Amino acid sequence: DAGVIQSPRHEVTEMGQEVTLRCKPISGHDYLFWYRQTMMRGLELLIYFNNNVPIDDSGMPEDRFSAKMPNASFSTLKIQPSEPRDSAVYFCASSLFFGSPGEETQYFGPGTRLLVL
Amino acid sequence: RKEVEQDPGPFNVPEGATVAFNCTYSNSASQSFFWYRQDCRKEPKLLMSVYSSGNEDGRFTAQLNRASQYISLLIRDSKLSDSATYLCAVSGTASKLTFGTGTRLQVTL
Repeated sequence: DAGVIQSPRHEVTEMGQEVTLRCKPISGHDYLFWYRQTMMRGLELLIYFNNNVPIDDSGMPEDRFSAKMPNASFSTLKIQPSEPRDSAVYFCASSLFFGSPGEETQYFGPGTRLLVL
Repeated sequence: RKEVEQDPGPFNVPEGATVAFNCTYSNSASQSFFWYRQDCRKEPKLLMSVYSSGNEDGRFTAQLNRASQYISLLIRDSKLSDSATYLCAVSGTASKLTFGTGTRLQVTL
C-alpha cells in the first residue's frame, strides 16, 4: 500500500498567491482529515470528510481556506489569498473508520511544507 | 484551558532509563485515546491506542485514568532510537481527534 500521498512536498509562494495542496488517501478509507502543524499551535484539525462529505470544518481558520473532496481518492486544500501566517506544515490523514475503537487509526501523509513570503 | 495538554519537555534521559509522559484532557466525555510518535520533519505515526484497562507493547506501556482525566506513556529501557516527539491524541463525542502539542524526548549515550 502506498500510504497517504500528498503533493507538493514543499511550496514557497508569495503573499497573495493561491496555494493548492493535494491529497490521495489510502484506498478504502472512509475518512479524510486535513491538519496544520506549527511550532506555536501544534497539530490542529482543519476539516474532515466522511465518504467525501465535509463533516466538520470548524477548524478552518477563515474564508481564505477551502477544502474539497470530489471523489474518494482525491482531496484539495486551497488557500486564496495566502498570507505569511499561513506558513506551516499541512498534513492529510485518512482512516478506515472513526469512532470504532481499534479501527480508527489515522495514517498521515508526509505533509506539505508551505512557506508564504 | 486547552483541550489536551502535554509537558513540552524536552526530556533528556540516558540510554536504559525509564521515562514517563502524562497528557491531560478536559472533555470528560472523550472516548478514544492514542499516543503518536513524530520524528523530526516527519509525519506523526500511531504508537499505541490507549485502552481503559491499560495496555503494553514491548517496552511501552500506556494507561488511562478517567477519574483524573489523563493518559500516560511509560517507556522502559530507553533506546537512542526512541528520541522523537510524542503526541497524545483524544477523540470526543464530536468525532474528531485533538492532539496535544507533543513532548520531546532525547535519549543520550
